Amino acid sequence: QKEVEQNSGPLSVPEGAIASLNCTYSDRGSQSFFWYRQYSGKSPELIMSIYSNGDKEDGRFTAQLNKASQYVSLLIRDSQPSDSATYLCAAFSGGYNKLIFGAGTRLAVHP
Amino acid sequence: GAGVSQSPSNKVTEKGKDVELRCDPISGHTALYWYRQSLGQGLEFLIYFQGNSAPDKSGLPSDRFSAERTGGSVSTLTIQRTQQEDSAVYLCASSLETDNEAFFGQGTRLTVV
Repeated sequence: QKEVEQNSGPLSVPEGAIASLNCTYSDRGSQSFFWYRQYSGKSPELIMSIYSNGDKEDGRFTAQLNKASQYVSLLIRDSQPSDSATYLCAAFSGGYNKLIFGAGTRLAVHP
Repeated sequence: GAGVSQSPSNKVTEKGKDVELRCDPISGHTALYWYRQSLGQGLEFLIYFQGNSAPDKSGLPSDRFSAERTGGSVSTLTIQRTQQEDSAVYLCASSLETDNEAFFGQGTRLTVV
């Protein structure tokens, strides 16, 4: 079992729709969770961090954390073609004492 | 500097040569990571430095790979006797504390010919 798992996609959504990206993690001791966006040929860019159960909103982005289910999600409202990228979920694992990344979900927003 | 800085941006080397990749973390950041990303693949953890603690080297793929962090700041990743399978983008990230947000440099694209 991978420590952080994501569906590789691609997830295809029409412009203006809500994109929902999901992630599960195996280390129940993980406390910090992050979403990164990576455009092709670029390095990952941090877009959201979440540390507590519930929702955290920042502009068009909402991160959701459910520690009981070991589940993290990212919602992108009013998706734009410029949101097309690979989205990486990461968890700081207390057990492994390091930041562990999922393989990423490729999002394609089509006009 | 304002962000994580990596050098060189690109490196082409001949098989069998040694290479050194440099990472300048954000000032004051105590944690520093090295990852490797092959074309179309996810991030592969290599090594993690946290303050004065012994580094976590569990991700280094072979003994040809080594890394050091001098004075708790600049880090150098060294690959000895490079092989074609070492070709990838090498990414460095730093964070203020152990489980804080980590920020990436622009990466070093290594090509072994």
